[in-house]
Amino acid sequence: DVKVTQSSRYLVKRTGEKVFLECVQDMDHENMFWYRQDPGLGLRLIYFSYDVKMKEKGDIPEGYSVSREKKERFSLILESASTNQTSMYLCASSTGQGGNEKLFFGSGTQLSVL
Amino acid sequence: GESVGLHLPTLSVQEGDNSIINCAYSNSASDYFIWYKQESGKGPQFIIDIRSNMDKRQGQRVTVLLNKTVKHLSLQIAATQPGDSAVYFCAENIVNTGFQKLVFGTGTRLLVSP
Repeated sequence: DVKVTQSSRYLVKRTGEKVFLECVQDMDHENMFWYRQDPGLGLRLIYFSYDVKMKEKGDIPEGYSVSREKKERFSLILESASTNQTSMYLCASSTGQGGNEKLFFGSGTQLSVL
Repeated sequence: GESVGLHLPTLSVQEGDNSIINCAYSNSASDYFIWYKQESGKGPQFIIDIRSNMDKRQGQRVTVLLNKTVKHLSLQIAATQPGDSAVYFCAENIVNTGFQKLVFGTGTRLLVSP
């Protein structure tokens, strides 16, 4: 089975801190994604990557950046955390073959910014 | 069915009943659709998918129906079990400037009573 591992299950940070959320997948997938999940709003795409060192903005990239130095690892960075970034963050990966993408998700990181 | 907003629609059924969860999607050009199940504290888990050239697809106890005329997707769960209790999301795959990405609905909570 595909395994997508997010490094932290829960994180508590202070306003203004720089925050790193790490994600690793073990199936040699080309594509990786970061979503945030908020009650009543579903999953919203922050950033995605289709190759190493490549990144594309999703629907809500403001306040975030990403890094993909290795194929298996995709990091989400909050340069200066704010309270409105308190959320559940979900990482996902897919093979990217043929364009129709079944995403495999990690268990999520619940981030609280105080 | 799913809707935009803060309130998460809830479907309550008795164990053994059939469940139908509905989803309206937004883009007539979407070519691929997926249903995910998310249990409390876990990431979304793939259930079933369907391509736009199909109207119906069956899995184990689940069936997805696609009506492209009215842009409607439904998930039918046969003989619903307590373990089916979760939030269910539909997602559409939107072709956008050479990249394809999944856009998720806001989710429907399924509650199964013994």
